[in-house]
Amino acid sequence: QQPVQSPQAVILREGEDAVINCSSSKALYSVHWYRQKHGEAPVFLMILLKGGEQKGHEKISASFNEKKQQSSLYLTASQLSYSGTYFCGTPGGGADGLTFGKGTHLIIQP
Amino acid sequence: DTEVTQTPKHLVMGMTNKKSLKCEQHMGHRAMYWYKQKAKKPPELMFVYSYEKLSINESVPSRFSPECPNSSLLNLHLHALQPEDSALYLCASSQGPGSWDEQYFGPGTRLTVT
Repeated sequence: QQPVQSPQAVILREGEDAVINCSSSKALYSVHWYRQKHGEAPVFLMILLKGGEQKGHEKISASFNEKKQQSSLYLTASQLSYSGTYFCGTPGGGADGLTFGKGTHLIIQP
Repeated sequence: DTEVTQTPKHLVMGMTNKKSLKCEQHMGHRAMYWYKQKAKKPPELMFVYSYEKLSINESVPSRFSPECPNSSLLNLHLHALQPEDSALYLCASSQGPGSWDEQYFGPGTRLTVT
């Protein structure tokens, strides 16, 4: 089942903060976050695992609420380079491969 | 080296053609994936290879045929495609087949079926 992301789009001024949410109707063991710039491949940002373990970029923070089956990605003091589409991905039934949400389009203006 | 390479970058093919997409990684990853991405949509999982064995086929039409000749290479053979198959085809790899390893994506092959 496809995770649900919100908001669909965000427009920020450089330096502002943003939160992107991802929720699932099924139990989650992990949540992956990726960013894709126009015409480029998705780039790994972070993995959050059940139990609290996480790995990813130091400048990006995220949370994972296992009970609520939700994850949030926090972008603070946004930079122009943060622009792009952010996808959360959750493992499928066989734990291999990811099912991605529809994405959140983030635009950072100077 | 954290690079996944894909060839060709662009491909235009007719509905009766046979073509192949190639993906390569030299990170020692044991899981490799094919995703299909339409414009302004998320990547959709097509195939997963785990330790060179096909572990998931997400009900993809038989006109798409994956192949994993060795642990570094992944091919996608295309035959009798439809115009709606036009999309960006992304290859990815991860250390293992679990949900705890990040996936590294290649730049993709942009396929146009005429």
